Amino acid sequence: GQNIDQPTEMTATEGAIVQINCTYQTSGFNGLFWYQQHAGEAPTFLSYNVLDGLEEKGRFSSFLSRSKGYSYLLLKELQMKDSASYLCAVRDTGGFKTIFGAGTRLFVKA
Amino acid sequence: DVKVTQSSRYLVKRTGEKVFLECVQDMDHENMFWYRQDPGLGLRLIYFSYDVKMKEKGDIPEGYSVSREKKERFSLILESASTNQTSMYLCASSRSNEKLFFGSGTQLSVL
Repeated sequence: GQNIDQPTEMTATEGAIVQINCTYQTSGFNGLFWYQQHAGEAPTFLSYNVLDGLEEKGRFSSFLSRSKGYSYLLLKELQMKDSASYLCAVRDTGGFKTIFGAGTRLFVKA
Repeated sequence: DVKVTQSSRYLVKRTGEKVFLECVQDMDHENMFWYRQDPGLGLRLIYFSYDVKMKEKGDIPEGYSVSREKKERFSLILESASTNQTSMYLCASSRSNEKLFFGSGTQLSVL
C-alpha cells in the first residue's frame, strides 16, 4: 500500500527552528517534494529531494533518507508568515503520480 | 507569470446534478491532475492526464470522469453529484518529472 505520515500540528516560536518529519511507504519512488499551503490558498512548491542528503534553500532545508523512507523539512528563523500547512509528497516511479500526506499545520507564535 | 486557472472559486450544486469543473494552464505542460482536498485526509488524486486525450485513474476515481481535448485544458466531470463529493478540488499541471503548479481551487458544495 501507499502511506505517507506526518504530524498533524506543530507549534513553534518566532525566530526559532522547527523540523517537520515525514515517513513514507510507497510502491515506487521518484522523488520527494515539500509544498507550503496557506489557509485558503493553493499549495506552492518548497523543495525537492531525489538523492539522499540535505538540500538547502535560504531559511528552508529538506533532508531525505531513501533507505529509511524518511524526510524532514527544517525551517530556520521562523517568521509569522510561516504559519501554514506543509505537505510532504512522493512521486512514483512512472514520474506522473504524486501522492500527498495529510499535511502538518504549523502555528508560529510571537 | 505562469498560471493554472480554475473556472470557479465556489460552486453550489444539488444532488444528482451533472457538474463540470474546468482547468486551464498556460505553461504548455504535458501533465495535468485533479485532486480533492478534505480535512485530515490531505490531497487525494482523482485522475491525471499525461497527454491530450489520454487519462489515467488516480486513487479515488469513482463517481468522476475527465476530459482532455486540448493540451491546456483538463475538465473534471461529476456525472451525478452526491453529498460526499462536497470538497475542495485542486487542479495541477507539470512537466514530466517536475514540480506541480496548482490552481486556486474550487470549493464545491453539494446539497
